[in-house]
Amino acid sequence: AQSVTQLGSHVSVSEGALVLLRCNYSSSVPPYLFWYVQYPNQGLQLLLKYTSAATLVKGINGFEAEFKKSETSFHLTKPSAHMSDAAEYFCAVRPTGGGNKLTFGTGTQLKVEL
Amino acid sequence: EAGVTQFPSHSVIEKGQTVTLRCDPISGHDNLYWYRRVMGKEIKFLLHFVKESKQDESGMPNNRFLAERTGGTYSTLKVQPAELEDSGVYFCASSQVGQMGVLTFGAGSRLTVL
Repeated sequence: AQSVTQLGSHVSVSEGALVLLRCNYSSSVPPYLFWYVQYPNQGLQLLLKYTSAATLVKGINGFEAEFKKSETSFHLTKPSAHMSDAAEYFCAVRPTGGGNKLTFGTGTQLKVEL
Repeated sequence: EAGVTQFPSHSVIEKGQTVTLRCDPISGHDNLYWYRRVMGKEIKFLLHFVKESKQDESGMPNNRFLAERTGGTYSTLKVQPAELEDSGVYFCASSQVGQMGVLTFGAGSRLTVL
């Protein structure tokens, strides 16, 4: 079975600092990987996705993630945090073999401080 | 374009009572999913509809949960009778055919069972 592990349930950064949210996956074959974000009182929305094309994926709001097969990782980064980035971030995996069932990590709450 | 709408946003019921959650997906989205997040845990898949048919219901916890999607439009998720462990946030999501893992989520229905 596929799974994802998000290290750090809470991450705090200063405004303007680098954002790094970690995600490691477990899969026998490279899966499809996703980052979703949930702002307060809203539904999850897709930030970016990896579907076996380019290993460096750019998403919305200046976020990007790099797929590293050797490390089974798909960490999310943003060079400069903004107050509006404060939200909960979820890494998710979907099997490449078919089906649309996503397996999510436990989420990382990002706090951005002045 | 209207998003995924869920109702109610919050429901508080007593153990043993019945609750019905409703989801209106984006018009034209044949795929409809239900997920649940118990406090502090990961978001877990419950089931997947393609139009009115249940494609995958492997995540449904037990037979106290009944999901329907009559006519392939809106969906309901009924919990009867509710237990304490059913408390959590129930998310509905929808997608078009072929959209691999790209889901549009509703804001969720928070269920509290006392």
